[in-house]
Amino acid sequence: EAQVTQNPRYLITVTGKKLTVTCSQNMNHEYMSWYRQDPGLGLRQIYYSMNVEVTDKGDVPEGYKVSRKEKRNFPLILESPSPNQTSLYFCASSSASGYGYTFGSGTRLTVV
Amino acid sequence: KQEVTQIPAALSVPEGENLVLNCSFTDSAIYNLQWFRQDPGKGLTSLLLIQSSQREQTSGRLNASLDKSSGRSTLYIAASQPGDSATYLCAVGDMYSGGGADGLTFGKGTHLIIQP
Repeated sequence: EAQVTQNPRYLITVTGKKLTVTCSQNMNHEYMSWYRQDPGLGLRQIYYSMNVEVTDKGDVPEGYKVSRKEKRNFPLILESPSPNQTSLYFCASSSASGYGYTFGSGTRLTVV
Repeated sequence: KQEVTQIPAALSVPEGENLVLNCSFTDSAIYNLQWFRQDPGKGLTSLLLIQSSQREQTSGRLNASLDKSSGRSTLYIAASQPGDSATYLCAVGDMYSGGGADGLTFGKGTHLIIQP
């Protein structure tokens, strides 16, 4: 089944403790993106990648890092999480031909 | 920068009615437009994708139209059912990035409730 898989689904952590949210897709897609969703603000892009080793900032990149060492994986790294990063996070992928994005099921992160 | 607006923000209708959700965008140089459904606390499910060269797409009871020149898209839901209750999101992929390589610009969604 074609899908984008995120892990974990839920995570509660403390301020300053580094964490990684994994994202993997099995569709051989070139494009991958991370979004966060907050009430009243909608979905905002954090980082995106056009292909292996090619990444760029989205609208709200501060406090996040990404890497794209393999085509299928696009992890989101929070080096020193803060409470304002409490949010619902989504990973998505798309082919270079532009036939729409497929989203993961989301990761609900709480930073206390 | 592209801005996407969805009206209304919330809508409640009785079961069986036909309804229209609206999406407008400020920059008509789009590559495609995608409608998603999101259930509470869940991920996004793609409903329909319209390429910039297309006028509409249909899937079952859903029909999405696109008018690039006026910067508008509509999602038509026929014979609504309680199971259609969800938030519906419109998202635009920009032409400049050749298909939305830098992702999509989302509207804030229409929260739809279908009353049994």
